Formats: sequence, structure tokens, C-alpha cells
Amino acid sequence: AQKVTQTQTSISVMEKTTVTMDCVYETQDSSYFLFWYKQTASGEIVFLIRQDSYKKENATVGHYSLNFQKPKSSIGLIITATQIEDSAVYFCAMREHDSGYNKLTFGKGTVLLVSP
Amino acid sequence: NAGVIQTPRHKVTGKGQEATLWCEPISGHSAVFWYRQTIVQGLEFLTYFRNQAPIDDSGMPKERFSAQMPNQSHSTLKIQSTQPQDSAVYLCASSLAENTEVFFGKGTRLTVV
Repeated sequence: AQKVTQTQTSISVMEKTTVTMDCVYETQDSSYFLFWYKQTASGEIVFLIRQDSYKKENATVGHYSLNFQKPKSSIGLIITATQIEDSAVYFCAMREHDSGYNKLTFGKGTVLLVSP
Repeated sequence: NAGVIQTPRHKVTGKGQEATLWCEPISGHSAVFWYRQTIVQGLEFLTYFRNQAPIDDSGMPKERFSAQMPNQSHSTLKIQSTQPQDSAVYLCASSLAENTEVFFGKGTRLTVV
């Protein structure tokens, strides 16, 4: 069974708008960490933002923010004022205590296309 | 901080040959990961080292794949008798600790012909 699920295969938006990407996860652990990564056209995987399971406040870094809904096991990524260079594949990932934090489990990714 | 460094960036091997991929994690990072990425399978976990010790190799194909971390500044992934299905991008990553974000190298694209 998939532990991290991204249901949106691709999203197209106009530049300067706000986009939300969905991610749901499965875990029995009380302690886990959630991450969003961006994979650029060159293939480079870049860390964007993290959410610790014990924190109630949604994380924010630059124009990235998270919508963490713990009861729903959901961690959405919100990008405000999108730019052309935000076009990429976005991956949600989880690092959980059950696996000894030994691995980062990824979703399948969401392709974001930002048009002028 | 040069980030995680992987060499070579591209490697082409003939079927049946051996391939060795190299990784230099970020200095001071105690956790090192190897992942494989293909279009079909996505990002697959291969193996994990903590403080140079092999901790979890549950994702490694048992027969032909091996990974080592002889010192804190480099790790290798060796594939013996490469097969066309081994063609993928192999990614090395490191993190400062167990509860911190993971940083990825730019990957090695392995093509087995």
C-alpha cells in the first residue's frame, strides 16, 4: 500500500496565481516528518519545506507554505505568486519513526506547469 | 558547502559489466542514502548508512547490488553484471540527523546497453 499519495498528476496555472498541491500519507507513528521537494528540468531534487508532526503551526518558507491537517493525514503545499521557474515536479515525502527514520518515502509527484 | 557530490554524472556500461557510483555527502552529515529513480517506479529507496554503518538495505536488489561507506566522506554503490533494467538515475543523499531534511546530489545517470 502506498504510504504517501499524490493524486494530482499535473496542474497548469497562470503566472502570479496561487496553487495548492495535495498529499496524503499513512503512518501509525506519533512522530514523523513531512517534506516537499522540487525536481527541476535538469533533474536536480531540491528541498523546499518541512513540517514536524508535533508542530501545530503550518510551516512557511518564502512563497511556499504548508496546509497541515493532521486528523486527515494531509500535507498540502501552497505556492503563492507563482513564477515561470516554479514549473517542475513536486514530491511529497515522509520520514517516520516506524522505519527508524531510515528512509524517506516519496509520493509519485505532481507536475506543475506555470504559464505566462 | 558544495552539497552532495556524485560522480560520474553519466555512465554507460555494457551488459554484464560492473558499474561503481561515487558519492560525497555533505560534510558533517551522519546519514547517507541511496535512491534510484525511473519513470516507471519513481523514487525507490535502496540503502541507508548512519555514521558510516549500514543500517537498512531493504531496498537493495540482493544479488548484484552492494553499497559501502568506508569513511565519512564517501560512499559507493556497486552494481555487478549490469543489466538493461538497471538503467536509471541513481541518487545519493545525506542529512545532518535522523529528524532533519535530506539533501540530494545531482545523480548519476546509468545507461546499460
